[in-house]
Amino acid sequence: EAGVTQSPTHLIKTRGQQATLRCSPISGHTSVYWYQQALGLGLQFLLWYDEGEERNRGNFPPRFSGRQFPNYSSELNVNALELEDSALYLCASSPIYGQVGNEQFFGPGTRLTVL
Amino acid sequence: AQKITQTQPGMFVQEKEAVTLDCTYDTSDPSYGLFWYKQPSSGEMIFLIYQGSYDQQNATEGRYSLNFQKARKSANLVISASQLGDSAMYFCALTSGGGNKLTFGTGTQLKVEL
Repeated sequence: EAGVTQSPTHLIKTRGQQATLRCSPISGHTSVYWYQQALGLGLQFLLWYDEGEERNRGNFPPRFSGRQFPNYSSELNVNALELEDSALYLCASSPIYGQVGNEQFFGPGTRLTVL
Repeated sequence: AQKITQTQPGMFVQEKEAVTLDCTYDTSDPSYGLFWYKQPSSGEMIFLIYQGSYDQQNATEGRYSLNFQKARKSANLVISASQLGDSAMYFCALTSGGGNKLTFGTGTQLKVEL
């Protein structure tokens, strides 16, 4: 069974540009989560999608947005990039919505560097 | 609000010894779950072990066990017989209230020495 995949592995952008990060969940998983791991700030929850809907959002500005497609893959868009957006962006998927014990399976991450 | 506290930024352990990584949590929800993840230098988060708030026994997975003390709100990870490959960052995480997002601690960097 293929794991969670993310693309690209690395992304270099300049301040003010837009970045698009992609995630494909494990087959059969309907929930996709996005996390930001910035140096010195730890792992922060960004967004949660399930069945194509945004279910929850972390404490991030609106320029962080995303969507989930009918095949459950997901895209994270970051507009008007700022230097502090440089981080490892991790995507995770889980099989069943709303259960406390659901393990989240993580992808390898996309490292975004903003110059 | 949910909170996870890991007070050990770094730990050293000798190969084949056991090590305990500390984690305390705070949530007002009676139904919650606690996870431990390992993050090697490659960046990928690897699931290690899970403990539910209503589980009667402490969770174990191979060399990993979770010392769950509900009254003290602690969920410490015990790694037995440490191996060089255990050197990594370890994160404790909490989920509650419907199980959607994970709240992570700041992590503990473990280094296993010969």
